[in-house]
Amino acid sequence: GQQVQQSPTSLVLQEGENAELQCNFSTSLNSMQWFYQRPGGSLVSVFYNPSGTKQSGRLTSTTVIKERRSSLHISSSQITDSGTYLCAMERNSGTYQRFGTGTKLQVVP
Amino acid sequence: GALVYQYPRRTICKSGTSMRMECQAVGFQATSVAWYRQSPQKTFELIALSTVNSAIKYEQNFTQEKFPISHPNLSFSSMTVLNAYLEDRGLYLCGASWGGIYAEQFFGPGTRLTVL
Repeated sequence: GQQVQQSPTSLVLQEGENAELQCNFSTSLNSMQWFYQRPGGSLVSVFYNPSGTKQSGRLTSTTVIKERRSSLHISSSQITDSGTYLCAMERNSGTYQRFGTGTKLQVVP
Repeated sequence: GALVYQYPRRTICKSGTSMRMECQAVGFQATSVAWYRQSPQKTFELIALSTVNSAIKYEQNFTQEKFPISHPNLSFSSMTVLNAYLEDRGLYLCGASWGGIYAEQFFGPGTRLTVL
């Protein structure tokens, strides 16, 4: 089954609204990473977050390893935030990253 | 900074032929390189993880016979898609890290494979 579940699958926001993206893991994990996927497909690492809260500008990531979840908060969304956000986990059994199916975010004027 | 390059960025091959893609890490030592594929309308799947001085570990549904990987040094890796068919099309990414399998990965821009 799907080891990494992301929600929502898609989201439409008006510019200036906040967004909360969720990532839940069905197995124990060692760390996780949030990515933004460009329209051409390449990945941009947003946060590498083994645990706790990290902030970068309008983005905040909170990961609670014991509860197998992570969230990505986007405040005051901008049109340029539109795109697909992926989370990926690193299991502690030696298997490398598993990706979620992504949240497609659209920010409209 | 840590950068990862991939070549080629796009490639087209005829069904049944093979194509090789490359991954180069710059600015750090890539002790681990993972290869992923994103098929159309799907998320990324891990193909295999290569760690220097260890055997390459392939995920279920991916084999060395189909996707042979070379990781000869700490800055370079290559993967070949042998006997490519329509189901092999997609975006292939390599992710490299220096701290072992639990360190942050840095990704290349990907090689987009089209199979005719």
